[in-house]
Amino acid sequence: QSALTQPASVSGSPGQSITISCTGTSSDVGAYDYVSWYQQHPGKVPKLVIYDVSIRPSGVSNRFSGSKSGNTASLTISGLQAEDEADYYCNSYTSSSPRYVFGTGTKVTVL
Amino acid sequence: EVQLVESGGGLVQPGGSLRLSCAASGFIFSNYWMTWVRQAPGKGLEWVAGISQDGSEQSFVDSVKGRFTISRDNAKSSLYLQMNSLRADDTAFYYCARGAGWYDYWGQGTLVTVSS
Repeated sequence: QSALTQPASVSGSPGQSITISCTGTSSDVGAYDYVSWYQQHPGKVPKLVIYDVSIRPSGVSNRFSGSKSGNTASLTISGLQAEDEADYYCNSYTSSSPRYVFGTGTKVTVL
Repeated sequence: EVQLVESGGGLVQPGGSLRLSCAASGFIFSNYWMTWVRQAPGKGLEWVAGISQDGSEQSFVDSVKGRFTISRDNAKSSLYLQMNSLRADDTAFYYCARGAGWYDYWGQGTLVTVSS
């Protein structure tokens, strides 16, 4: 099972919206609504920002939203802020082994 | 307050063994699937292993199969990762995380360095 594919980097200006893609296959992202997203600031522990494709945990800003189409899941950050500059990872359930797989990670830069 | 505290990391020679522990508190440990995730310095997250609530179901990434075992002691609210035949590419921060499909709480991580 290979890692899910994410763009290495995405950037945007404050106030803009950006979207991070997470491309898998019909055995993982395309088959199940078990996609989650994590934000990780340098030297910090990952933080859950979206689960089950589009559900936002309590306490997470409503500027974060998730969606899925076919084998690709997406995380959109609207009203981009300096504090959003971080690495972002997707994760999906897979029908093969191992049971779950992370994406390659995307570095978000706020210009 | 939910807390996950890893321990057991350190420097080990190639071919050696380590046992990581994760002490959980603030929630009913036996109700949750638990997961180990690792991150090599400067690299991305890698799902390593997971174990079901009663320990009957386990899953491993291919690169650690046959070398790592995962276990839990629900009476002690503890999760373990026994790592044998360690290789240089096992060098990473190892995090324990609560959950299966999504991980809402993470420990601070313990660093495992495999080097001669």
